[in-house]
Amino acid sequence: AQRVTQPEKLLSVFKGAPVELKCNYSYSGSPELFWYVQYSRQRLQLLLRHISRESIKGFTADLNKGETSFHLKKPFAQEEDSAMYYCALGKDQTGANNLFFGTGTRLTVIP
Amino acid sequence: KAGVTQTPRYLIKTRGQQVTLSCSPISGHRSVSWYQQTPGQGLQFLFEYFSETQRNKGNFPGRFSGRQFSNSRSEMNVSTLELGDSALYLCASSFRQGGGYTFGSGTRLTVV
Repeated sequence: AQRVTQPEKLLSVFKGAPVELKCNYSYSGSPELFWYVQYSRQRLQLLLRHISRESIKGFTADLNKGETSFHLKKPFAQEEDSAMYYCALGKDQTGANNLFFGTGTRLTVIP
Repeated sequence: KAGVTQTPRYLIKTRGQQVTLSCSPISGHRSVSWYQQTPGQGLQFLFEYFSETQRNKGNFPGRFSGRQFSNSRSEMNVSTLELGDSALYLCASSFRQGGGYTFGSGTRLTVV
């Protein structure tokens, strides 16, 4: 079955330090992967999608099919990056479209 | 443009009752998905509608149902409420199936 694993529930880094939020997936087909972010008292919002290969708010994520990973990275963390981050797989085993979320990682950037 | 609107924001219901939640997607978005968010289970997919047809359904009992209208607005219904149905219910819309979804603020349902 499809699975998205975010091994870290909590992650703390100092401001200006690099940050990497890990995401591993299990899916037999060609995956569509996303990162969503939820800031305090705000709604869940799309941060990145792998097909766009873009950088948003300094974050990037590269799909590594060999390692079945889609880690989120930022070279210099900012205090405003503190939030809950969810990795999501955009297809289930039947190829149908829905979002299958990981359990999330709460990132805290220490001033 | 207006975002995804969910009503009501909060609901308190008694066990055994039924509830209907509403979602208005972003104008032009034809795909609407529903998710349940709980501290224990995280974000779980309920179902997706596209052009008034249910395209996908998650692993939830038949007490959970939904529909989509011709204007893409969607409702979800939960019958015979149980305490475990207490959760934040999120609606998300997208222009196409499988695209990046835009989420609403959710409806927080408390079953007592």
